[in-house]
Amino acid sequence: KAGVTQTPRYLIKTRGQQVTLSCSPISGHRSVSWYQQTPGQGLQFLFEYFSETQRNKGNFPGRFSGRQFSNSRSEMNVSTLELGDSALYLCASSLGYAAGTGNTIYFGEGSWLTVV
Amino acid sequence: DAKTTQPNSMESNEEEPVHLPCNHSTISGTDYIHWYRQLPSQGPEYVIHGLTSNVNNRMASLAIAEDRKSSTLILHRATLRDAAVYYCIPSTSGTYKYIFGTGTRLKVLA
Repeated sequence: KAGVTQTPRYLIKTRGQQVTLSCSPISGHRSVSWYQQTPGQGLQFLFEYFSETQRNKGNFPGRFSGRQFSNSRSEMNVSTLELGDSALYLCASSLGYAAGTGNTIYFGEGSWLTVV
Repeated sequence: DAKTTQPNSMESNEEEPVHLPCNHSTISGTDYIHWYRQLPSQGPEYVIHGLTSNVNNRMASLAIAEDRKSSTLILHRATLRDAAVYYCIPSTSGTYKYIFGTGTRLKVLA
């Protein structure tokens, strides 16, 4: 069974540009969440989606946005890139909604974004 | 959000058992305790999770204190491939917003 797939794996952008990252969840998984990992702040939650609806959002500026499609694939977008946005962006998927059943989330390998 | 406290780093000899502690004294009664590990340049990998009783799987065992304020991840025989950062995360019903702390960096010595 294929795992969570994230594309692209590596990319370099210039300050002020925008970027779109893509995530394909494990087949059958309907929940997708996104995390940012930096050396200074560690792993931080960005947002989560279930059935195309954003269920929760982390403490990030409005430049960070995301969406989920009807096939559960998800994209996140960062506009007006800043140097501090350089990070590993991780997507995770889970079978269902987090209804207290102890569902596990499975992470992809991430997209490495460098802003110059 | 429940807060966690883990040692910054631990060392173990290869093929010896490793006990990785985590304090989560503010955990609520319905929060599961999840453990993930992250190898260099990879996304976090699920290890194990539990609610109240001890849990075992092919990767590890999870011992949860009776008052649920702490838990211990047990790797029965550490290998070099177990060198990673280990995170314990209390999960909250209704969200996959996981709060990752700084984790424990495990070094396995050959």
